[in-house]
Amino acid sequence: NAGVTQTPKFQVLKTGQSMTLQCAQDMNHNSMYWYRQDPGMGLRLIYYSASEGTTDKGEVPNGYNVSRLNKREFSLRLESAAPSQTSVYFCASSASPGQGGYNEQFFGPGTRLTVL
Amino acid sequence: RKEVEQDPGPFNVPEGATVAFNCTYSNSASQSFFWYRQDCRKEPKLLMSVYSSGNEDGRFTAQLNRASQYISLLIRDSKLSDSATYLCVVNNQAGTALIFGKGTTLSVSS
Repeated sequence: NAGVTQTPKFQVLKTGQSMTLQCAQDMNHNSMYWYRQDPGMGLRLIYYSASEGTTDKGEVPNGYNVSRLNKREFSLRLESAAPSQTSVYFCASSASPGQGGYNEQFFGPGTRLTVL
Repeated sequence: RKEVEQDPGPFNVPEGATVAFNCTYSNSASQSFFWYRQDCRKEPKLLMSVYSSGNEDGRFTAQLNRASQYISLLIRDSKLSDSATYLCVVNNQAGTALIFGKGTTLSVSS
């Protein structure tokens, strides 16, 4: 099992360019998440998908869109990249929250994005 | 009060030392608590869940104090390989996702 995979690993964009970050998991998880991590800010939730066909905004959704393509795949799109979106982006997945709370989230290796 | 707060450190300790990290959370209704570990330029990975009665995994002990709304992680007999950032994680106010603290950095030296 590969777990959670992300592509690309690194990307440099110019201001105003668009791109899509891809994420896939092979653990049959219902829930998937996109985070960004900036120095001194910790992990911040951008969007999440509790199940196939649903998506919801997290703490910092502005400037991003997501698509839950199927149960395995959850993509993050930057329509018009800005320097403030320079960050490390992590995708994660987990089983649905059950009685008594949340399950472990498994993370992908991250995408390091620089916007010039 | 921020949802999850941690002392950022860094904590610099010698091998063999015992070190403790604390974390406070604001949502009194939280049900899920975890400690994650993140190595430099790597993804976060689950270290251990935190249960109401407290739990131990080898050299690591996690405690939960619901009345005071804090979580602790104790590492005994520190190893060089324990050097990492430790993230405190709690479910959010709406109960829809997990909130990660900014992390506490530990550096263990020989």
